[in-house]
Amino acid sequence: DAKTTQPNSMESNEEEPVHLPCNHSTISGTDYIHWYRQLPSQGPEYVIHGLTSNVNNRMASLAIAEDRKSSTLILHRATLRDAAVYYCILRGASGSRLTFGEGTQLTVNP
Amino acid sequence: DGGITQSPKYLFRKEGQNVTLSCEQNLNHDAMYWYRQDPGQGLRLIYYSQIVNDFQKGDIAEGYSVSREKKESFPLTVTSAQKNPTAFYLCASSAPLRGHQPQHFGDGTRLSIL
Repeated sequence: DAKTTQPNSMESNEEEPVHLPCNHSTISGTDYIHWYRQLPSQGPEYVIHGLTSNVNNRMASLAIAEDRKSSTLILHRATLRDAAVYYCILRGASGSRLTFGEGTQLTVNP
Repeated sequence: DGGITQSPKYLFRKEGQNVTLSCEQNLNHDAMYWYRQDPGQGLRLIYYSQIVNDFQKGDIAEGYSVSREKKESFPLTVTSAQKNPTAFYLCASSAPLRGHQPQHFGDGTRLSIL
């Protein structure tokens, strides 16, 4: 499975935008880029996914580099409830599994 | 509301005992998954099932067993052969296996050894 690399931790201030980076230099042409987040003692929550084009939904935006070797999850205005571990995951076209790394721990300061 | 229900929330196992974790979904999803999470780590896949009466081993299947007799249910048994069962167990489901389909997760079962 292609791997992803994320920073271990990031900090942001409340109501400011947050850009969470992810490198995936060995991504294949059919891999989807998924983002999930996990609050303490809860299951992961799906955030967003994309293949080639940038994507927006009510939770976040996903910016994908032209060569697809990196992507950025954008939270437009961080809130305290956005403090979580964010996972960037590649999922093949057959979709049999999600391979989770250790993710990025996002801290949001009031 | 549609979703995934895992029970119990907390479970304790005695030495040599098998325990079964329940996972039920009412999302009408074909695919279901079991993951294990250790403190400070990401999730690791134990077993997954694409359809009823079919399942495949994930990355860490040793010491675990599953069944898929009904579409909505995918119980996980932690057997006595699993020597280090203390972990947070997460069940998930998704529409048919396609790369763009998100997985929906339950709130997990925390298993500890007595």
